Amino acid sequence: EAGVTQSPTHLIKTRGQQATLRCSPISGHTSVYWYQQALGLGLQFLLWYDEGEERNRGNFPPRFSGRQFPNYSSELNVNALELEDSALYLCASPLMHTQYFGPGTRLTVL
Amino acid sequence: KNEVEQSPQNLTAQEGEFITINCSYSVGISALHWLQQHPGGGIVSLFMLSSGKKKHGRLIATINIQEKHSSLHITASHPRDSAVYICAVRRSGGSNYKLTFGKGTLLTVNP
Repeated sequence: EAGVTQSPTHLIKTRGQQATLRCSPISGHTSVYWYQQALGLGLQFLLWYDEGEERNRGNFPPRFSGRQFPNYSSELNVNALELEDSALYLCASPLMHTQYFGPGTRLTVL
Repeated sequence: KNEVEQSPQNLTAQEGEFITINCSYSVGISALHWLQQHPGGGIVSLFMLSSGKKKHGRLIATINIQEKHSSLHITASHPRDSAVYICAVRRSGGSNYKLTFGKGTLLTVNP
């Protein structure tokens, strides 16, 4: 059974651009959680998708958005990129109270 | 004040030493997780606790719900244990698995 996958591994953008990050949960899992790990801030909850719907979002501005597709994969979009958006973005899917994390996408905003 | 506090922030040990990392939280929880993050970012879930104690190999995790405190112990530490260890809690109530994280403890084990 494949684990949680994310793409791309690295992404370099400039201020004002848009970034799209992708996540595929473990096969059969319907929930996807997105987290941001910025330098010095630790992991913070971003968004939760389940069964194609956004169920909860963390304390992030509306330019952070996403969606979940019928196959339960998910996309995180960050519009109007700012320097402080540079971070490791992790997605996770839960099973039996354990969160399984993907390898992350490292976004660098120049 | 953060809802989840870890100590110490950094820890350096010699191979073979017994390691303890502490986590305190200020909210009601349904579960507490200990996670390990290696350089490069990959995160592995080590334990999920709601009470008592769990052991896996050289790793032991305990939780005291009344005191809102958990500890992660590593016996006979090894350089491959060098990583960031993160405590995370799932708040009680609600139907989601959203986690609130501590800032992590950077463990370096020297040979």
